[in-house]
Amino acid sequence: TQLLEQSPQFLSIQEGENLTVYCNSSSVFSSLQWYRQEPGEGPVLLVTVVTGGEVKKLKRLTFQFGDARKDSSLHITAAQTGDTGLYLCAASQGGSEKLVFGKGMKLTVNP
Amino acid sequence: KAGVTQTPRYLIKTRGQQVTLSCSPISGHRSVSWYQQTPGQGLQFLFEYFSETQRNKGNFPGRFSGRQFSNSRSEMNVSTLELGDSALYLCASRAVWGEQYFGPGTRLTVT
Repeated sequence: TQLLEQSPQFLSIQEGENLTVYCNSSSVFSSLQWYRQEPGEGPVLLVTVVTGGEVKKLKRLTFQFGDARKDSSLHITAAQTGDTGLYLCAASQGGSEKLVFGKGMKLTVNP
Repeated sequence: KAGVTQTPRYLIKTRGQQVTLSCSPISGHRSVSWYQQTPGQGLQFLFEYFSETQRNKGNFPGRFSGRQFSNSRSEMNVSTLELGDSALYLCASRAVWGEQYFGPGTRLTVT
């Protein structure tokens, strides 16, 4: 059983469309992170959320951490071809440095 | 500042052989973590080293081992390779606390 469930797993959209990807768990986390990974590269951190109910915005990306700190969402407005990639959520439990990752959502934005 | 570097980038090995992968963290970073990424399982934590000591370990068999040197560079070794060990192996470094920075990974293919 995956500790972090991401949905959808795959998404192919046209440039200009909006999308939301979800990261859900039955566990409570001290923090949750979102990464983007491009082919042939390692994941790059987009944001870290630590407070229940927290909302963070990064240009066209909006991240939300659930009130109970068990789930999170990433919303992309007016997607661009450069947003194509694998979006991963990851979380640490308690004081552990060990990160647990979801399997990711592969996004393709078509021109 | 130079990023995390991993060598080699690509590797092809035969079943039963062993392999050593290398990771050079960002200058000043003392923590190095290793992850295995496969299409089926996603990113899975292997182990973390801090100041030459293994601080955390994932659920992988004893064939997977690692070490860290006094200059913080790290190596991981996989002995008696199996077909299922084919994966992208990612290394990430961090300062004492804070964000993890990933390297580009080593793509290992076991034939």
